[in-house]
Amino acid sequence: GNSVTQMEGPVTLSEEAFLTINCTYTATGYPSLFWYVQYPGEGLQLLLKATKADDKGSNKGFEATYRKETTSFHLEKGSVQVSDSAVYFCALSDNTNAGKSTFGDGTTLTVKP
Amino acid sequence: DTEVTQTPKHLVMGMTNKKSLKCEQHMGHRAMYWYKQKAKKPPELMFVYSYEKLSINESVPSRFSPECPNSSLLNLHLHALQPEDSALYLCASSQEPGLVSNEQFFGPGTRLTVL
Repeated sequence: GNSVTQMEGPVTLSEEAFLTINCTYTATGYPSLFWYVQYPGEGLQLLLKATKADDKGSNKGFEATYRKETTSFHLEKGSVQVSDSAVYFCALSDNTNAGKSTFGDGTTLTVKP
Repeated sequence: DTEVTQTPKHLVMGMTNKKSLKCEQHMGHRAMYWYKQKAKKPPELMFVYSYEKLSINESVPSRFSPECPNSSLLNLHLHALQPEDSALYLCASSQEPGLVSNEQFFGPGTRLTVL
């Protein structure tokens, strides 16, 4: 079956630090990959996505590249802000699972001023 | 309008009560989802509706009963819940059922407490 593994948190960084959150996946089909972010007290919202190998998704300074050879989709940001403090979920959906999404366990990021 | 709305925002109920959660979207999406999320955990899929028909039930207990009255609305009827059902219930929608590249749009959730 499908699975998504994220680096364990929590992650605490100072403002303007570089962020990497690792995500690797196992899928039987040809998945699309997503990063969702959940701010305190809110639902999830899409941060970025990539639908095929070597695609790069980007949004709000965050980037992730779909690497089929390493089955990875690591999230990066060059300079984090306090407002980036949230829980980040890596997810996939593929055509063997009725389009259902598989989520990683989430990584909590805290950015301190 | 790219928003999924959910009501109520908070709900406290006893184990003998009957209540309903409501979800609405006006993006023309044809797939709608209910998820349950416990603290510090990822969302767990409960139900999927495709073109207003129930397509996936992830072995959810019968005390949870979904309903899709039309393409914009999704309800979750609750009856005889247990304290362990306390969680954040998230509704989501996506453009086309089974289209793997579609992202899901999530509502803000209903925080449910069962006493």
